[in-house]
Amino acid sequence: GAGVSQSPSNKVTEKGKDVELRCDPISGHTALYWYRQSLGQGLEFLIYFQGNSAPDKSGLPSDRFSAERTGGSVSTLTIQRTQQEDSAVYLCASTLNRGQDTEAFFGQGTRLTVV
Amino acid sequence: AQSVTQLGSHVSVSEGALVLLRCNYSSSVPPYLFWYVQYPNQGLQLLLKYTTGATLVKGINGFEAEFKKSETSFHLTKPSAHMSDAAEYFCVVSWGTSYGKLTFGQGTILTVHP
Repeated sequence: GAGVSQSPSNKVTEKGKDVELRCDPISGHTALYWYRQSLGQGLEFLIYFQGNSAPDKSGLPSDRFSAERTGGSVSTLTIQRTQQEDSAVYLCASTLNRGQDTEAFFGQGTRLTVV
Repeated sequence: AQSVTQLGSHVSVSEGALVLLRCNYSSSVPPYLFWYVQYPNQGLQLLLKYTTGATLVKGINGFEAEFKKSETSFHLTKPSAHMSDAAEYFCVVSWGTSYGKLTFGQGTILTVHP
């Protein structure tokens, strides 16, 4: 696609429910990142994929959070048993290669509200 | 600990005035430095980046930033603000890994008054 696409754009869920957030990166981009933007915490790194592997999961806040990537393309971030503190905007980014100096292209994010 | 700090969560300028958004970092290794901008209801996009070479970096929409190693700073400037510059600006650093893991500053919301 022309850009990074995330769905849904907005999600309201009840506390305790599971949610899945989807990211379609730019075609051909090998690296994919998830970040979270929340009030008071700013933008935080969650997880990095190179191809289908996740060499760095260090930002996942708890074992309720998991992510996968299939076919070197689409990625899904799953939050189990959601809590109110999970409310945030979840951003996905992709880069053409894995280098530190490469431009990251961001999706518009999924705004998650846990009620 | 490695970190990036933006001074001022809100900056307000008049149209035509100088824009100066401050960013300092702390790092034991040379960083790669970026400024990203988030316009209302839009995704983050790259304004400019410093990797190696010339320390004065020019970006889109008339913005530029200067990497000053001695001051560990990467301040963003624009000589004359335009109403369309109103947005949130993030100073971003990449270091310590072989891939593009980004560490964001807290962001500065720029307001431009007519």
